[in-house]
Amino acid sequence: RKEVEQDPGPFNVPEGATVAFNCTYSNSASQSFFWYRQDCRKEPKLLMSVYSSGNEDGRFTAQLNRASQYISLLIRDSKLSDSATYLCVVNDDFNKFYFGSGTKLNVKP
Amino acid sequence: DTGVSQDPRHKITKRGQNVTFRCDPISEHNRLYWYRQTLGQGPEFLTYFQNEAQLEKSRLLSDRFSAERPKGSFSTLEIQRTEQGDSAMYLCASSSVGRQGDFGSGTRLTVV
Repeated sequence: RKEVEQDPGPFNVPEGATVAFNCTYSNSASQSFFWYRQDCRKEPKLLMSVYSSGNEDGRFTAQLNRASQYISLLIRDSKLSDSATYLCVVNDDFNKFYFGSGTKLNVKP
Repeated sequence: DTGVSQDPRHKITKRGQNVTFRCDPISEHNRLYWYRQTLGQGPEFLTYFQNEAQLEKSRLLSDRFSAERPKGSFSTLEIQRTEQGDSAMYLCASSSVGRQGDFGSGTRLTVV
């Protein structure tokens, strides 16, 4: 079983839509959680950290459910520029980062 | 500091040749990671260093792969006797303990 599992998509949504991605992780001892964004043929870039109480950054909201070992990312009012692959990342207790395979988002006009 | 830098950006090599990649991390980061990414997949962990100590190597890292970080600053990843299956993007990241990783732009290796 993979450490981090994500729905690969693609999610095809119109501009202005709200879209949500989910991610599950297998190691209950995981310490830190992140969402990264990766554009085609580019390196991953940190989008936001995910905190236990949930956190918001503009149009982006991240949630963590430790009991279910589940992380989510909600994007409101989607923009064309949000089109990318979104990687769920989990940091274990030895500080290694584990990546999901990514969820591809296509925002269409 | 300009972030994590990797060199070269692209490398095309013939099967059986050796290649070496370099990563210069963010200077205040004591952790350095190497990942490999193939098309449609997320980055896969290869190895990581805390300062100059290599703390873990993935089972993905066969004995043809070796990584060093001799002075706890830059790191090199060498692949000996390259195979076509080694073709991938090799990503380096650095971090401080407990913080997110910052990635370099990667080295794209093509083995022909």
